[in-house]
Amino acid sequence: DVKVTQSSRYLVKRTGEKVFLECVQDMDHENMFWYRQDPGLGLRLIYFSYDVKMKEKGDIPEGYSVSREKKERFSLILESASTNQTSMYLCASSPARFHEKLLFGSGTQLSVL
Amino acid sequence: AQTVTQSQPEMSVQEAETVTLSCTYDTSENNYYLFWYKQPPSRQMILVIRQEAYKQQNATENRFSVNFQKAAKSFSLKISDSQLGDTAMYFCAFKDTNAGKSTFGDGTTLTVKP
Repeated sequence: DVKVTQSSRYLVKRTGEKVFLECVQDMDHENMFWYRQDPGLGLRLIYFSYDVKMKEKGDIPEGYSVSREKKERFSLILESASTNQTSMYLCASSPARFHEKLLFGSGTQLSVL
Repeated sequence: AQTVTQSQPEMSVQEAETVTLSCTYDTSENNYYLFWYKQPPSRQMILVIRQEAYKQQNATENRFSVNFQKAAKSFSLKISDSQLGDTAMYFCAFKDTNAGKSTFGDGTTLTVKP
């Protein structure tokens, strides 16, 4: 089965910590995305990438950065975690720049205490 | 910017009955895709059905069908013969054919009751 894998299902961090959320896809997809999911707010796009070493800001990039050193891996970085970043984080990928369908990972529930 | 609105935060339906989830969107684009994604309690988001805006025929996938009204910017999902496994959060999403990113609604939590 083709997959988008997020390294952690649950994560608990302290305020001020640097946090890395990892996402790996095994489908040779060009596009990768990080969404944040909060109750009543749906999915909001944080960052996305069309290619290695390329990144573009989504709708809510503040407080986040990303890294894509290899095609299969897209990392979301919280430089200094804050309590308002407690959320579900979903990684997704798609095979070409204008391809329509997203394939999702199973999410990382991050709690910042 | 595109917006997607799901006006029903929660819905319930009896097993074997039919339920319709609503979605409206706002865009100035003419060519785009619309989707319904399902997120069960396991959290794994999967695509249920998609519709290309240039197609007048409504998409159908087994028990799932859509009512796409382009002029009204409406895209509802009908689930027939509801099953307990349909219990999930359902997200409506929009994607411009010339853009890389998708815009999602806030979701509708559907509970199928035995």
